[in-house]
Parts: sequence; C-alpha cells; structure tokens
Amino acid sequence: EDQVTQSPEALRLQEGESSSLNCSYTVSGLRGLFWYRQDPGKGPEFLFTLYSAGEEKEKERLKATLTKKESFLHITAPKPEDSATYLCAVHSVANFGNEKLTFGTGTRLTIIP
Amino acid sequence: GAVVSQHPSWVICKSGTSVKIECRSLDFQATTMFWYRQFPKQSLMLMATSNEGSKATYEQGVEKDKFLINHASLTLSTLTVTSAHPEDSSFYICSAKRQGRGTDTQYFGPGTRLTVL
Repeated sequence: EDQVTQSPEALRLQEGESSSLNCSYTVSGLRGLFWYRQDPGKGPEFLFTLYSAGEEKEKERLKATLTKKESFLHITAPKPEDSATYLCAVHSVANFGNEKLTFGTGTRLTIIP
Repeated sequence: GAVVSQHPSWVICKSGTSVKIECRSLDFQATTMFWYRQFPKQSLMLMATSNEGSKATYEQGVEKDKFLINHASLTLSTLTVTSAHPEDSSFYICSAKRQGRGTDTQYFGPGTRLTVL
C-alpha cells in the first residue's frame, strides 16, 4: 500500500526566513509526485508535478525537488501570503489505470510578518 | 489554466434530505473526475472516481447508494448525498483530470461545505 508522510506537521517562520518541507513516500513504482497548496476553506491549488529522481521545478519563491524516497518543497524568503497548508500526493504504478492519488496529511505553514 | 468550479460553495440542510453538488471543468474536458471528502485538520480522502458515460468506482467503505455520482458530460459531474445525516457534514471537494495531456495532474474545485442539522 502506498504511503506518504509529510513533516513537519506545522511550521512557523519569520518573513524572509527560508526553510524546507519534507514529503517521504513508499510506493510500488512512482508515476508522479504532486505538490498542492490549500488555503483554509478552499480546494487544493496545483503547484508542481515531479516524475523522476533528480527532477526540480520552480515557481516564484517555491522549488520542489525529488529523490527516490522523498521530495522537498523549498521556500525562499517567504512572505505572509505564502501561509497555507502544503499537501504532497503520489500516483503509483499500483494505481495505474485508476489515477488514484495518495495524499499526505500536509504541513501547515505560517509566515509571521 | 485549468479551472474547476463547484456549486454550491456551502449548503445547510435538515437530516433526511438530499443534497446535490455540481462539479464543472470550465476550460477543459475531463473524462475522469474525482470526489473527495475532508474533515477538519485532516487530509483529503478519495470517495469515488467518476468516469464520463460509465458508473463511478467507489472506494472501500463508501456507500454507493448514499453518495450517488453522475458524470453525464465531459465537463460536469454531480454528487448527490441522499438522506443526509449529521455525520455526513464535511467539506466535499471534486477534482478533474485534464483530457489529452501526458500528465496525471488533477485540478481541484473550491469545495462545498455541507452542514446537516
């Protein structure tokens, strides 16, 4: 069974203080790893898709990286508007054909002005 | 972009009534849509996968007769919560997979907050 573990559960940073969020996964064969941002009371907003170890993607202050066992979401010089819950999800070979994603429980990020 | 809408954004109903939630992909066609439920401070739990023109596939433990799903077109899926009870109160979110792309990416709607009194 696919498993996704995100850490830390919550993270408070000062504005401008860079850090990283972790997503560890165990799957039978990775077809894709996804990062989403979710604001309270809203649906998840797509950020990145990573397909293979060594891949990196960037968007503004966010950069996502992938290894064979985990993914990191690096946030550089964050601003208060970056405060949200960041969700990691995987799509595996075991679920090929049904497109099912397995989600982690998320990291709740708070940026203090 | 890939925009998915949901209607209504929130609904309050009495116990025993039925509630219909609509999910629309606004700028792309989706052969596959998904319905999730999210309880406070928890992650998303997949309820069912909805395929256009065929019956939905439900996850283990989800009652198909209680949560009726219809995917009548490439841009619309509906979830009907029948005979709703207070324990069905939750945040329901749909997602849609863009057709014809090489990626598996799911794009999510804004969610529907259901409160059953």
